[in-house]
Amino acid sequence: NAGVMQNPRHLVRRRGQEARLRCSPMKGHSHVYWYRQLPEEGLKFMVYLQKENIIDESGMPKERFSAEFPKEGPSILRIQQVVRGDSAAYFCASSPQGLSNTGELFFGEGSRLTVL
Amino acid sequence: SQQGEEDPQALSIQEGENATMNCSYKTSINNLQWYRQNSGRGLVHLILIRSNEREKHSGRLRVTLDTSKKSSSLLITASRAADTASYFCATESNYQLIWGAGTKLIIKP
Repeated sequence: NAGVMQNPRHLVRRRGQEARLRCSPMKGHSHVYWYRQLPEEGLKFMVYLQKENIIDESGMPKERFSAEFPKEGPSILRIQQVVRGDSAAYFCASSPQGLSNTGELFFGEGSRLTVL
Repeated sequence: SQQGEEDPQALSIQEGENATMNCSYKTSINNLQWYRQNSGRGLVHLILIRSNEREKHSGRLRVTLDTSKKSSSLLITASRAADTASYFCATESNYQLIWGAGTKLIIKP
């Protein structure tokens, strides 16, 4: 059973370009969470999705950021018109049920975005 | 906003010694979890302790939870070089995990 797969692992973009980060949850997991991490800091919640639904996007900036988890295919975190401040590691995690039922999250290795 | 706060921020000990890290939080929780992150890697779940539990063990790990003080500790006994990593506590409340800034643990051979 493959773990949570994220790609690309590293992404370099120039200011104003778009960044698309993909996450395939573990098999059987229908809950996906995206987090952002700056160096030497903890994780900041961005968005929580179930298949085809955004459950909580309270941690995601209102502009330029969007996320989806379609019925088929991976979850996508999309950042439009990137700025230098978007440079960070973006982690995806999945769980078979909601956190209040299972507790544990399974993490991918992260996508490291560098904006030049 | 940050919920969990770990201390110390960094800890350097000799191999074989015990390492203790602490986590404090602010609001009521369903459970508290500890994760490990090796440099440049994703997070790995270590242990979960529910709000009605006071202590839990897993191998060389021992976690305590004091809900009256809103604090938890993670003890790693007989540390090894491979334990070098950052350790994060996360509190679960209302289907969200809220994370501290982590403790960076260095085990010197």
